[in-house]
Amino acid sequence: DSGVTQTPKHLITATGQRVTLRCSPRSGDLSVYWYQQSLDQGLQFLIQYYNGEERAKGNILERFSAQQFPDLHSELNLSSLELGDSALYFCASSVGSGGYGDTQYFGPGTRLTVL
Amino acid sequence: DAKTTQPNSMESNEEEPVHLPCNHSTISGTDYIHWYRQLPSQGPEYVIHGLTSNVNNRMASLAIAEDRKSSTLILHRATLRDAAVYYCILSVGGSARQLTFGSGTQLTVLP
Repeated sequence: DSGVTQTPKHLITATGQRVTLRCSPRSGDLSVYWYQQSLDQGLQFLIQYYNGEERAKGNILERFSAQQFPDLHSELNLSSLELGDSALYFCASSVGSGGYGDTQYFGPGTRLTVL
Repeated sequence: DAKTTQPNSMESNEEEPVHLPCNHSTISGTDYIHWYRQLPSQGPEYVIHGLTSNVNNRMASLAIAEDRKSSTLILHRATLRDAAVYYCILSVGGSARQLTFGSGTQLTVLP
């Protein structure tokens, strides 16, 4: 158990809908990262927040957005869902802002199925 | 971006050592080498990381070549629980923010 929690574990929804995925980092960690893992793309970095501020952005679609709240939990919002958004979404956390050797600890993931 | 090359798959017998290779010929001086693994139906799990010197922890050892163009993750005694996909990742320019996972090495441990 990494100490990172993600809810829900599974989510099934329809195309065009909007969903929110939630992540609670390990106690004391200030950074939260979001990744998407699909069969054809592998694990891809989406976005990072550090102490409430966006710090790094990867291959995140405009239909997706995220935020980190004062209590440091984070939410990933996915809207206008398409079939291709079906994937595992992982959240990770780290102590620092992602500098030298900062280690990321991953949660168990949310499996999103878009029908 | 600095890239890594790993074999697609490897097999090992239980209780024997496993050496997982990784080539990173375009590595630069400030790039850390990270290893993560992903067990079936789980999120990636941190294994070890290093910069220049060999590193040991309770899970594994990391041997880094003198020219830093390759590294080897060593599991000293493989168990069935070690069956996973192992990813060798470079944190470019010292930043560990955007971990770029390649296809990794699928390790099979035979009883």
